[in-house]
Amino acid sequence: GAVVSQHPSRVICKSGTSVKIECRSLDFQATTMFWYRQFPKQSLMLMATSNEGSKATYEQGVEKDKFLINHASLTLSTLTVTSAHPEDSSFYICSARLAGAQETQYFGPGTRLLVL
Amino acid sequence: QQPVQSPQAVILREGEDAVINCSSSKALYSVHWYRQKHGEAPVFLMILLKGGEQKGHEKISASFNEKKQQSSLYLTASQLSYSGTYFCGPPEGQAGTALIFGKGTTLSVSS
Repeated sequence: GAVVSQHPSRVICKSGTSVKIECRSLDFQATTMFWYRQFPKQSLMLMATSNEGSKATYEQGVEKDKFLINHASLTLSTLTVTSAHPEDSSFYICSARLAGAQETQYFGPGTRLLVL
Repeated sequence: QQPVQSPQAVILREGEDAVINCSSSKALYSVHWYRQKHGEAPVFLMILLKGGEQKGHEKISASFNEKKQQSSLYLTASQLSYSGTYFCGPPEGQAGTALIFGKGTTLSVSS
């Protein structure tokens, strides 16, 4: 199956700093990537849809200026958490859509962010 | 709006069967099923695209009733490896293409 990687897998940062998370589709081109956030024992909550070469579409309640998304190429999308605070600590997972009849989404391994 | 999954949790012994239901208040055109193990990313199980469609994946199969806006996942003769949280997700979101997941059903299989 298609492989999606994320980097870093785990990050600890101080409150007020910015953190960048990369999502790469390793063996396919993804015109669309998605960013989710998952708090402990909760479901994956969609944050935004990232389209290559255009602005991301954010879900209601997700601050565009705080969670900057860039989808510069067909294999790379980045999520930058700006001025991170402890409440931003979460598991961030990206997925990439495999274009085709079934439009399956493949998930990256996730990035665990801890803001102190 | 999230789809609603039931039950919230299931505890099984190896070899037993389980059914996980997913229903939506909105029209469903397709349903995706994923399984997530603790601390890992969700893994794709299957996608159902047509109303009434049934698909199988090893001993895991699913049905999709477009009219009732429901999908069910069937796990037969469960194995230890089936433990995890199962999510259903129809494509939705602001862009209309992302998966919006239900709260999940946690399945625990013991020997």
